[in-house]
Amino acid sequence: DVKVTQSSRYLVKRTGEKVFLECVQDMDHENMFWYRQDPGLGLRLIYFSYDVKMKEKGDIPEGYSVSREKKERFSLILESASTNQTSMYLCASSLRGWYQETQYFGPGTRLLVL
Amino acid sequence: EDKVVQSPLSLVVHEGDTVTLNCSYEVTNFRSLLWYKQEKKAPTFLFMLTSSGIEKKSGRLSSILDKKELFSILNITATQTGDSAVYLCAVEARGNYGGSQGNLIFGKGTKLSVKP
Repeated sequence: DVKVTQSSRYLVKRTGEKVFLECVQDMDHENMFWYRQDPGLGLRLIYFSYDVKMKEKGDIPEGYSVSREKKERFSLILESASTNQTSMYLCASSLRGWYQETQYFGPGTRLLVL
Repeated sequence: EDKVVQSPLSLVVHEGDTVTLNCSYEVTNFRSLLWYKQEKKAPTFLFMLTSSGIEKKSGRLSSILDKKELFSILNITATQTGDSAVYLCAVEARGNYGGSQGNLIFGKGTKLSVKP
């Protein structure tokens, strides 16, 4: 069974702090994704990666960066956290390709920026 | 442990058929249930359901929630090849932390293939 884990379930940070969100998958998936989920807005794609050291911007990359040094790990970085980045962050992975390939989601990280 | 179970995991139909996708859940402090259609990179939001027995419709798609029996169904009538996708169900649980938002638990999805 595919397992996607995220390093924290809840985080509280202050404005201006650097924040690292870690995601690990154990099924040797090529693709990994970071989303944020906000009420009324659904899932919005921040960044995705289709291979080690490869990354592409999603729909809302501003204020975020990512790192994929190893296949199983995909990190989301908030260089200088702001209050409008308070949200639920979801990581997902999929085997390959884009179309109709099931994405497996982690449990989410609830980030509160004060 | 909170969980969301979707069935079937995959489904193959022909154009014009009507399909029903199922989502059952066991979640503490239920807040809402959401349906998404996943075709390419990011899932597309379809419906959010919070009240039992009230059907939500959008074109050929409709969905209803039963909070007593803890499930929801997504119906697609007169299916088209463009309906081929993975359909995700997610349940939001109320959280005490952060005020207005809680945890979001996803099912594994139903992969729908519509043949011409």
